[in-house]
Amino acid sequence: AQSVTQLGSHVSVSEGALVLLRCNYSSSVPPYLFWYVQYPNQGLQLLLKYTTGATLVKGINGFEAEFKKSETSFHLTKPSAHMSDAAEYFCAVREGGGADGLTFGKGTHLIIQP
Amino acid sequence: NAGVMQNPRHLVRRRGQEARLRCSPMKGHSHVYWYRQLPEEGLKFMVYLQKENIIDESGMPKERFSAEFPKEGPSILRIQQVVRGDSAAYFCASSPDLATEAFFGQGTRLTVV
Repeated sequence: AQSVTQLGSHVSVSEGALVLLRCNYSSSVPPYLFWYVQYPNQGLQLLLKYTTGATLVKGINGFEAEFKKSETSFHLTKPSAHMSDAAEYFCAVREGGGADGLTFGKGTHLIIQP
Repeated sequence: NAGVMQNPRHLVRRRGQEARLRCSPMKGHSHVYWYRQLPEEGLKFMVYLQKENIIDESGMPKERFSAEFPKEGPSILRIQQVVRGDSAAYFCASSPDLATEAFFGQGTRLTVV
């Protein structure tokens, strides 16, 4: 069985500061890993994904994440936060190539302080 | 190419009524997933369907919930005899194949009163 843990239900950073959202996963097989963003009353938008290959993945809106197998982590970062980054962020895992749906973490609410 | 379309966006039902949630996948997508999001929670997988087939329903409650994806028309998530605990946002996602990430709709927010 797979699971996802997102540390910190709420993270607050100042505009222009580094954003770091933590995600740890467990999976019995090599995982596919995803980060999604959800704005209020909206659906989920894919930020980035890792399947195979390069462990540093770049996504939209300046976000990137690094897959670290030894740490079973897939933390999301952005060098400089913008006010428009305020949203809910979800990390998700799927057993690579499997037919199962995604397993999501509980989400991290990112707050940007002016 | 329109995105994944879900309707209605908001649905209010009284306890005991039936709720029918519709999902039209993106053009060319034959894989459909349904997820439920409870307040302050992440999304929970419910069911995975391909055209006319339920592939994985391990996340579906055993009673009152059913899903279908007919040959023609949208996928339907049906909740019979709704209870207050069914109040949640229900999201549909579609993909063209297993190797491609799924695209999400904007969800249907069900409120049971």
